[in-house]
Amino acid sequence: EAGVTQSPTHLIKTRGQQATLRCSPISGHTSVYWYQQALGLGLQFLLWYDEGEERNRGNFPPRFSGRQFPNYSSELNVNALELEDSALYLCASSLRVAVTDTQYFGPGTRLTVL
Amino acid sequence: GQNIDQPTEMTATEGAIVQINCTYQTSGFNGLFWYQQHAGEAPTFLSYNVLDGLEEKGRFSSFLSRSKGYSYLLLKELQMKDSASYLCAVGTNQAGTALIFGKGTTLSVSS
Repeated sequence: EAGVTQSPTHLIKTRGQQATLRCSPISGHTSVYWYQQALGLGLQFLLWYDEGEERNRGNFPPRFSGRQFPNYSSELNVNALELEDSALYLCASSLRVAVTDTQYFGPGTRLTVL
Repeated sequence: GQNIDQPTEMTATEGAIVQINCTYQTSGFNGLFWYQQHAGEAPTFLSYNVLDGLEEKGRFSSFLSRSKGYSYLLLKELQMKDSASYLCAVGTNQAGTALIFGKGTTLSVSS
């Protein structure tokens, strides 16, 4: 069974540009979560989507947004990029909407903002 | 507020036993997870505790005390491949079903 996949693996942008990151969950999983892992910091919760709807978001500005498609894949958009947005962005998926459901992570997208 | 603390770094030798502690302060506690993350790779699920006590899974065991806000991950018969970052994460109703992660403990296993 294929795991969570993310693309691209690496992304280099300049300040002020927009970045789009993509995630495909494990087959059958309906919930997708996005996390930011900046150097020296733990994973910070960004966004949670389930059944096509945004269910919750973390303490990040509105320029971090996303969506979930009918096939449950998801997209994270970061507008007006800032240097401090440089980080590893991890996507995770789970089977259903319950905190007891284990989240399985993808390999991440390394975003570098110059 | 919500806070999760774990040591930044630990070292151990092959064959030894190591215990990685995690303390947390959250409201609406709904389970504690441990993940392993090798450098440059995705976190992988190790264990989940929602009730007090010890959960054993091969060389790895995880313990939870909800009254003390405390958990530990016990790794036995350490191998070089166990060198990784170990992330403690708490599920809380306050954040929907997202997990609140600690900053991770980097474990270095030497021969």
